[in-house]
Amino acid sequence: GENVEQHPSTLSVQEGDSAVIKCTYSDSASNYFPWYKQELGKRPQLIIDIRSNVGEKKDQRIAVTLNKTAKHFSLHITETQPEDSAVYFCAASWGGRRALTFGSGTRLQVQP
Amino acid sequence: ETGVTQSPTHLIKTRGQQVTLRCSSQSGHNTVSWYQQALGQGPQFIFQYYREEENGRGNFPPRFSGLQFPNYSSELNVNALELDDSALYLCASSPNEGKDTGYEQYFGPGTRLTVT
Repeated sequence: GENVEQHPSTLSVQEGDSAVIKCTYSDSASNYFPWYKQELGKRPQLIIDIRSNVGEKKDQRIAVTLNKTAKHFSLHITETQPEDSAVYFCAASWGGRRALTFGSGTRLQVQP
Repeated sequence: ETGVTQSPTHLIKTRGQQVTLRCSSQSGHNTVSWYQQALGQGPQFIFQYYREEENGRGNFPPRFSGLQFPNYSSELNVNALELDDSALYLCASSPNEGKDTGYEQYFGPGTRLTVT
């Protein structure tokens, strides 16, 4: 089955700096890669996703890049703010209506 | 916030008991997936329901079972509860498949189950 590895497990940045979280996946058939943000005691919130026919996608301060050959994808957050502090999870799946396999999470702390 | 709701919010059960958790999917979504999230870990896939049929299952024993109803709401049932079943149980609904939809999963707030 699919295996997703996520690094780093914790990340501390100063407000205004950029943050990068990286994930690798094992199943070359995976073609959908979402990122979720989970604040303490709350539900995972879908913040951005990318499909395998696209190499990069941006939405305001966040962007995701995908390298299919290397089987890794990354989340980039620019101009970080204290409200970006949360646990971020990457995930991978094959096709629509398929199970998501999650990484182990990255705890991002943005210092004011 | 998504339109996915779950009940109850919290639940405390004793080892060996049975529990039923409920999920109402977002309007227009016909697929519901259930995940177990242990403390400090990522969600793990339990199973998925599409149009009232099980559409995939993760590495969970048969004492984890589910249902989906004609209105696309869903139940997760766990029999013979074990201490390790203590976790946050999340359901996620997905929109009907179309040219650019059907991949996304939107999570409910979860049910925190404690087994003592």
